[in-house]
Amino acid sequence: DAKTTQPPSMDCAEGRAANLPCNHSTISGNEYVYWYRQIHSQGPQYIIHGLKNNETNEMASLIITEDRKSSTLILPHATLRDTAVYYCIVRDNAGNMLTFGGGTRLMVKP
Amino acid sequence: KAGVTQTPRYLIKTRGQQVTLSCSPISGHRSVSWYQQTPGQGLQFLFEYFSETQRNKGNFPGRFSGRQFSNSRSEMNVSTLELGDSALYLCASGTGYTEAFFGQGTRLTVV
Repeated sequence: DAKTTQPPSMDCAEGRAANLPCNHSTISGNEYVYWYRQIHSQGPQYIIHGLKNNETNEMASLIITEDRKSSTLILPHATLRDTAVYYCIVRDNAGNMLTFGGGTRLMVKP
Repeated sequence: KAGVTQTPRYLIKTRGQQVTLSCSPISGHRSVSWYQQTPGQGLQFLFEYFSETQRNKGNFPGRFSGRQFSNSRSEMNVSTLELGDSALYLCASGTGYTEAFFGQGTRLTVV
């Protein structure tokens, strides 16, 4: 079973920030939080990952709470091309076994 | 740097047949993992190979098997195909310790 809980869907206005929450209350100390997204019928695309510090790259920012039980993926200026299913995954770095949940379907609207 | 390449992109097979799918990882990556995606079950992990050894295995029947070659390229095989095996099969490559990068998948239709 997936170790994360995400809302099934969210809407965001184009140009606004999209904030996607994820709950991972059972995360263990050696597990990272990873985010991927999947645009219809394509392979999932890696976005960002973190352990306990906030992370930022050219695609997004990842904010992890101090207790590490939840996190938020932030797309600072959402575009129509950001419409996708976003998956939050927790895993340790001992292997590449990713357990996907249902994800959040983000719809960016003009 | 070339991405993950999966071949073929589309495949149609008949029930009872077998099929082999191929995945060429990003150069330098030693880990290849495979996933099945269906509308009903979502994305499910099949298995992971690292340096030619199966490192993790998901909960799939023995009809699903895989292997990895010394150049890190991987194949997965499904024998005695069933209608329910129709799915998008995805492979992902990585160093085995950080992020994995997915290919575009092979869409298998079993008729």
